[in-house]
Amino acid sequence: QSALTQPASVSGSPGQSITISCIGTSSDIGAYNYVSWYQHHPGKAPKLMIYEVNNRPSGVSNRFSGSKSGNTASLTISGLQAEDEADYYCTSYISSSAVVFGGGTKLTVL
Amino acid sequence: EVQLVQSGAEVKKPGESLRISCKTSGYTFTNYWITWVRQMPGKGLEWMGFIYPGDSDARYSPSFQGQVTFSADKSISAAYLQWSSLKASDTAVYYCARLRTDIRGGFDFWGQGTLVTVSS
Repeated sequence: QSALTQPASVSGSPGQSITISCIGTSSDIGAYNYVSWYQHHPGKAPKLMIYEVNNRPSGVSNRFSGSKSGNTASLTISGLQAEDEADYYCTSYISSSAVVFGGGTKLTVL
Repeated sequence: EVQLVQSGAEVKKPGESLRISCKTSGYTFTNYWITWVRQMPGKGLEWMGFIYPGDSDARYSPSFQGQVTFSADKSISAAYLQWSSLKASDTAVYYCARLRTDIRGGFDFWGQGTLVTVSS
């Protein structure tokens, strides 16, 4: 299975909003509402930020939101803060009991 | 409190075998899938597969099928990732994580990662 397509990098200033896209196909994102997003600070464990397209786990700030349209999922971070600077990865469930990751997006807070 | 604690960094030579562990606590080990994720140096996260500790049902990514083996020990709530013959290209950080529901769900709790270095 091919990796989902994410932009290599995005940036924004504190207080702004940014959106990270995750482009798949009709066999993964387009077929299932099982898209998750992870925040990964280098050297730390990744953290689940969004599951099942638009659900936030307990303790995750409501500044993080997810959506999906067709074969593309998106993560939006509003009110950007310095601590949001990290790598972000999307995943999607695909058929035959498998998961695929996106290539990752480096978020820089200017 | 749910915790996944992984074994420490390893330095191995090509051709050697290795098993790394992921010890869990704070939940019923046999009721949740565990996944393994690889991060090669300077690269992104890659899904390796799942194991269900309740019955040791294991599913592998095609990229890792035949290259690694997952196992679980219910008596000590630990999952394992094993290689029989390491290659230099296995050098990476390996993470274990718990699935929040079934294999379609997100990975809600993660281990801290185990760095495996394979070098002659």
